[in-house]
Amino acid sequence: QQQVKQSPQSLIVQKGGISIINCAYENTAFDYFPWYQQFPGKGPALLIAIRPDVSEKKEGRFTISFNKSAKQFSLHIMDSQPGDSATYFCAASPRGATDSWGKLQFGAGTQVVVTP
Amino acid sequence: NAGVTQTPKFQVLKTGQSMTLQCAQDMNHEYMSWYRQDPGMGLRLIHYSVGAGITDQGEVPNGYNVSRSTTEDFPLRLLSAAPSQTSVYFCASSYRGYSGNTIYFGEGSWLTVV
Repeated sequence: QQQVKQSPQSLIVQKGGISIINCAYENTAFDYFPWYQQFPGKGPALLIAIRPDVSEKKEGRFTISFNKSAKQFSLHIMDSQPGDSATYFCAASPRGATDSWGKLQFGAGTQVVVTP
Repeated sequence: NAGVTQTPKFQVLKTGQSMTLQCAQDMNHEYMSWYRQDPGMGLRLIHYSVGAGITDQGEVPNGYNVSRSTTEDFPLRLLSAAPSQTSVYFCASSYRGYSGNTIYFGEGSWLTVV
């Protein structure tokens, strides 16, 4: 049973449009929420991450919105470019300076295709 | 700077065979882990290690063994391969500490069990 539910499975967006991917979680012990980007044949690479003490984090064209009460977070890709075509994974890991912090729980992934 | 290096990139095994997926990192990270990636399921944690000599099970450990004799290396052993172990395997590493340390992934090992 996946602890982090991600939607949609796939989306197609035109160049210049906005891509939105949503994730929801149940475990209130999660306190770190990264997004990973994966290109075909490559490993996931950290794109952007957020902690629950802020509601939004922006890095360039990528923004995470976080709703702690709803236990939801989302990735917005503004001005989507063909080079953004990839699979995006949300993830979560629990708090604390213990061995549990590195146990990322991943969503199922969203394949994003940006058309020219 | 190599980062996290996995070998082999591709492997075909027959059911019942054993093999080892190698993983090495050159960033002096304490924390290393193995994930498997299957369609529609994201990545799932198999085993992890918080330092040399210390390993523990993740979400899907059955059929896999690990050991951590050095900081740099974290091999994953398939004891008796089964078709259900056909997957893409990713090794990852990070500094240990608090949540929020960036976890770096290798480029993956594609394993097919026939």
